[in-house]
Amino acid sequence: GAGVSQTPSNKVTEKGKYVELRCDPISGHTALYWYRQSLGQGPEFLIYFQGTGAADDSGLPNDRFFAVRPEGSVSTLKIQRTERGDSAMYLCASSPAGGLGEQFFGPGTRLTVL
Amino acid sequence: AQSVTQPDIHITVSEGASLELRCNYSYGATPYLFWYVQSPGQGLQLLLKYFSGDTLVQGIKGFEAEFKRSQSSFNLRKPSVHWSDAAEYFCAINFGNEKLTFGTGTRLTIIP
Repeated sequence: GAGVSQTPSNKVTEKGKYVELRCDPISGHTALYWYRQSLGQGPEFLIYFQGTGAADDSGLPNDRFFAVRPEGSVSTLKIQRTERGDSAMYLCASSPAGGLGEQFFGPGTRLTVL
Repeated sequence: AQSVTQPDIHITVSEGASLELRCNYSYGATPYLFWYVQSPGQGLQLLLKYFSGDTLVQGIKGFEAEFKRSQSSFNLRKPSVHWSDAAEYFCAINFGNEKLTFGTGTRLTIIP
């Protein structure tokens, strides 16, 4: 079956612009996660959804970052007033039910802020 | 504080040689432990995981890992590496709160 997909694969934007990154999880997976991976680092947790609600958003760095999952499937990570420091690979993962279940990762969106 | 450490940033091994990648953690209890591999342009793929029970766990692609409580370690091993094993390897830990905490990764280079 299809894995986790993320679009776009690459996004280049200018400082101060607004961007949206999309994640399509594996069908039927109720848990969805966003991570951010800077160059030379491991992924860092941003936010976790169980169904439509954000169960843990403790990793969002500031209020410029926001994520939604209105129908419990596709999720969008939104970044306002982008800064050069936001440049990173943004990874999405889904899991059948959350908890300790395996998280299946998408290929990521590489965001570059000029 | 809860943390995970991968001491080796980059390792080079010859094809056919054995491999051990180190992972250490800091936590007051037994965490849930994972190893992921990331190839260029690919998503993170789970190699293996440890939750409880037998401390030697087998994974995909011929990898295994051993949990050693006394050393707070979960090292990844493979008896004979193949050129296709060249990738970035991440140790990750779930400290019981849904999210994964990743190490900084070890880049593996294979030489013929």
